[in-house]
This record gives sequence, C-alpha cells and structure tokens, in this order.
Amino acid sequence: KNEVEQSPQNLTAQEGEFITINCSYSVGISALHWLQQHPGGGIVSLFMLSSGKKKHGRLIATINIQEKHSSLHITASHPRDSAVYICAVGRHSGYALNFGKGTSLLVTP
Amino acid sequence: NAGVTQTPKFQVLKTGQSMTLQCAQDMNHNSMYWYRQDPGMGLRLIYYSASEGTTDKGEVPNGYNVSRLNKREFSLRLESAAPSQTSVYFCASSEVGVSYNEQFFGPGTRLTVL
Repeated sequence: KNEVEQSPQNLTAQEGEFITINCSYSVGISALHWLQQHPGGGIVSLFMLSSGKKKHGRLIATINIQEKHSSLHITASHPRDSAVYICAVGRHSGYALNFGKGTSLLVTP
Repeated sequence: NAGVTQTPKFQVLKTGQSMTLQCAQDMNHNSMYWYRQDPGMGLRLIYYSASEGTTDKGEVPNGYNVSRLNKREFSLRLESAAPSQTSVYFCASSEVGVSYNEQFFGPGTRLTVL
C-alpha cells in the first residue's frame, strides 16, 4: 500500500468551481509538499507545510497532522489550473519524499 | 537564474547502450536528487546527494550510477540501458534535505530504450 494516497485520481470541473484535492498519508512526517505538473511536464512546488494552512492567490493548502490528512483547494478555478497535482511527504530522515500518484485536473471553460 | 537545468531533453537508446544525463543548479543548493516518473506511478527516487561529496541510494537505484561532480552538478549514468528504464527522468535540488525545504525541479529528460 502506498504511504501517500490521493483522491480523486481524476477530476473535471467547470470554470469558476471550487475544487478540493485530498491527500492522506500513513507515516509520521516532517512536512507535506504540494506540487503542480503542467501538461508540458514541468513540476513546480506550490506549498510546503507542516501545520495549519497556507494561501497563495487562489490556492489554499491545509494539513491536519493528527488525522494525517491534507487538502488542496482551488477557488474560482480557471482552465489554466488544468494540471496534475501531486502530494508528497517528507520523512524525518530528511532526504526522501514519498509521492502520491497525482490528481489529474481538467477545468473546462 | 536558470534554476535547475537538465540535458538532454529527449533521448532514444538501443538496449545495451550507455548514456549520462546531466543536471546542474545555480541556486547554491546542497542537496540534489534524481527521480524517475512512470505512467500510473508516483515519482520515485533513484539516487540523491545530501551534500557535495556524498551520494546515497533511493528507492530504485538498480541499473544506475551517479556522480556529484561539484556543488552545482549531479549526473546520472545508465551503463547498459534496458527497456525497463524507459521513463521520464527529473533532477531536483533543495537547500538541505526536504524536511523543511522546498524542492526545485528540472524540466525532465524523456528517455526511450528500444
């Protein structure tokens, strides 16, 4: 069983909708990362968090350490948000990330 | 700043051929990583270098070797390529480890082994 599970695997939304992507993990972590992979393949780090909530523009990431769960929210979604969103957790050893398989998001006009 | 650069962007090899994937970063990061990404699977760590002069195996190191040439450069070598090594390879770097540091990724190398 993968240590990092994401849901849903695929998601289609209409422009303007509020989107939530979930990530659950089964191990103790030092930090959780949210990454975005564009259709062209490039990977960009969106957030790194170890507690609470972070916001950047229309993106919000939350983490509940006790429940071992994180969510990535996109408000007022736009077609340019179409991408694969990847959750990854860092272990206390510090040099390896365990990655989820990603959530493929398509936002239609 | 270019960030993390990788060469080549695309490569086709025949089974048994060798090649080296190059990676460089200009952010003065201490830690560097090589990942592979296959359809239906998450990114998997091949090797990493915690700091200049050190390298360690990740989750899937078989069939690969690495060299941390200096603080900027970290190369991945396939000595005898196999079709199972067909994948997209990403190099990444971070200040020190990933526990509390963001990772920066290169654009990737798409490798096909025939």
